[in-house]
Amino acid sequence: QKEVEQDPGPLSVPEGAIVSLNCTYSNSAFQYFMWYRQYSRKGPELLMYTYSSGNKEDGRFTAQVDKSSKYISLFIRDSQPSDSATYLCAMSAPDTGRRALTFGSGTRLQVQP
Amino acid sequence: DTGVSQNPRHKITKRGQNVTFRCDPISEHNRLYWYRQTLGQGPEFLTYFQNEAQLEKSRLLSDRFSAERPKGSFSTLEIQRTEQGDSAMYLCASSSRDNVNEKLFFGSGTQLSVL
Repeated sequence: QKEVEQDPGPLSVPEGAIVSLNCTYSNSAFQYFMWYRQYSRKGPELLMYTYSSGNKEDGRFTAQVDKSSKYISLFIRDSQPSDSATYLCAMSAPDTGRRALTFGSGTRLQVQP
Repeated sequence: DTGVSQNPRHKITKRGQNVTFRCDPISEHNRLYWYRQTLGQGPEFLTYFQNEAQLEKSRLLSDRFSAERPKGSFSTLEIQRTEQGDSAMYLCASSSRDNVNEKLFFGSGTQLSVL
């Protein structure tokens, strides 16, 4: 079983819809949680990060972390065709001495105009 | 600041050949990472430098792989005796010393195809 599980999609929504993307994880040592967006043939781009449990909002994006359930979410409001990309969740546990990020496999999102 | 730069963008090689990739991080960043990504998967950690010191290596990094960061600036990743299973996107990322929460900035990667 992978440490981080993410539904690969593809997820297809109409323009303007609210999108919900999710990851579950098994390692309780994870403390930092991130969402990256990756366009085709490009490197991942950091969208959101949160520390421990709670919510964080940035424009149309909201990240939620529920450490008790080992579940994180990214919500995209008023989705746009330009949001079409692969969304990767990532997590780290620097207190364990490991600086590496552990990524999910990514969810491919298609926003239809 | 032009971001993380990786060269070449694409590399096609025959099995058994050696290849070398270069990464130029964001100039004030002292931490540099290499990841590998295959189609439909997320990036997998390979190795990490703080300045010129290689501090962490993944079990994925076999003895055919070697990474250097000789002056704490750019880094190279060499793969010797390439195998078809090495075909992947090799991503470099950097972060700054004040960055306890690992905000990594990625380059566009080098796509390796081993024939």
